[in-house]
Amino acid sequence: IAGITQAPTSQILAAGRRMTLRCTQDMRHNAMYWYRQDLGLGLRLIHYSNTAGTTGKGEVPDGYSVSRANTDDFPLTLASAVPSQTSVYFCASSELAGDYNEQFFGPGTRLTVL
Amino acid sequence: GQNIDQPTEMTATEGAIVQINCTYQTSGFNGLFWYQQHAGEAPTFLSYNVLDGLEEKGRFSSFLSRSKGYSYLLLKELQMKDSASYLCAVRDSNYQLIWGAGTKLIIKP
Repeated sequence: IAGITQAPTSQILAAGRRMTLRCTQDMRHNAMYWYRQDLGLGLRLIHYSNTAGTTGKGEVPDGYSVSRANTDDFPLTLASAVPSQTSVYFCASSELAGDYNEQFFGPGTRLTVL
Repeated sequence: GQNIDQPTEMTATEGAIVQINCTYQTSGFNGLFWYQQHAGEAPTFLSYNVLDGLEEKGRFSSFLSRSKGYSYLLLKELQMKDSASYLCAVRDSNYQLIWGAGTKLIIKP
């Protein structure tokens, strides 16, 4: 079944630890995105990639890094986790970055940093 | 700054009609999206407007007025499964989506 998968589903992490959230899509979409969703706030863009080999910063990039080595995978790394990074993280993809195309979302990763 | 405003919560009755409003102020406009998000799940696409007017898709319709910075999502013949959050998002001049905080819709029998 085509779509986006994320791993892990949830994670409890000690502050200061390094963590990589995985995201894989099999729709051959060019663009991919990482969002965080916090209660009372809209989805906020962390990083994005318009095509394999390129990445860009979104609204809240500090403390996060991404890479896009190929079309399918777009991992998000927290170099040294802090409690304010406790959130639900969604990965999304779209066929083209600048066109009408809707964004398809993965099931999310619930991350708690203690 | 960029801003998307939606009501935090709305309540409606099964079988009725509800209108969820969204106003926006963004740096540029390249389309407006509505998404549905059930609790604990991912957002899923509902509708897209880029020109003024009404787009109808089954029980759901979405309206856009670019001059007023305003959109609404109209849900007809409400069903219990429509209980969810509805997210308004505007694509700005950088072709990135700016999201509202969402409207939680509660459907009562």
